[in-house]
Amino acid sequence: DAEITQSPRHKITETGRQVTLACHQTWNHNNMFWYRQDLGHGLRLIHYSYGVHDTNKGEVSDGYSVSRSNTEDLPLTLESAASSQTSVYFCASKDGFSGNTIYFGEGSWLTVV
Amino acid sequence: GQNIDQPTEMTATEGAIVQINCTYQTSGFNGLFWYQQHAGEAPTFLSYNVLDGLEEKGRFSSFLSRSKGYSYLLLKELQMKDSASYLCAVNSLGHNAGNNRKLIWGLGTSLAVNP
Repeated sequence: DAEITQSPRHKITETGRQVTLACHQTWNHNNMFWYRQDLGHGLRLIHYSYGVHDTNKGEVSDGYSVSRSNTEDLPLTLESAASSQTSVYFCASKDGFSGNTIYFGEGSWLTVV
Repeated sequence: GQNIDQPTEMTATEGAIVQINCTYQTSGFNGLFWYQQHAGEAPTFLSYNVLDGLEEKGRFSSFLSRSKGYSYLLLKELQMKDSASYLCAVNSLGHNAGNNRKLIWGLGTSLAVNP
């Protein structure tokens, strides 16, 4: 079955370290997204991509970067992790041509100490 | 500004019916979603409304009134497993078809179903 997977599911890192969260989808969706979810803020868009080599900033992109070298993957990099980036991160994807529904990965819980 | 309002918490009894409301003010409108999110899990799609009226899908129904900026999610024959957070999201207008850049999310309604 087609799916969207994230790794690692849980990670603890130290302030200042670079961290990469992987996202892989097998639906061949052209649209991919990264959200973070925090109490009191709901889901907030970090970065998104409409296709290979396309990346765009969302509402909370500072301190994060993404790259899209193929259809299946959109890794999220925290260049220098900060305690404020402790959160749960969700990757999502959508068929940009024929669908409206976005589908989420299982989430990655990141703690920055 | 753009915002979505939902009640923060609701409580209901197993077997009962509950209605979760969502009101929105957005710069445009291109559909409204409801997602279910169990604690510690990812949001999962429940429904999508783009036209006014009621969409029924098993025990869950979703209603939309675009003129009132209002939607509700109706859950019938509540089960314990329906205890979850329910997220309302509006796809605002002004972007290409399939573009989710302006998907505005509510903070979610935490529903507790008691025996």
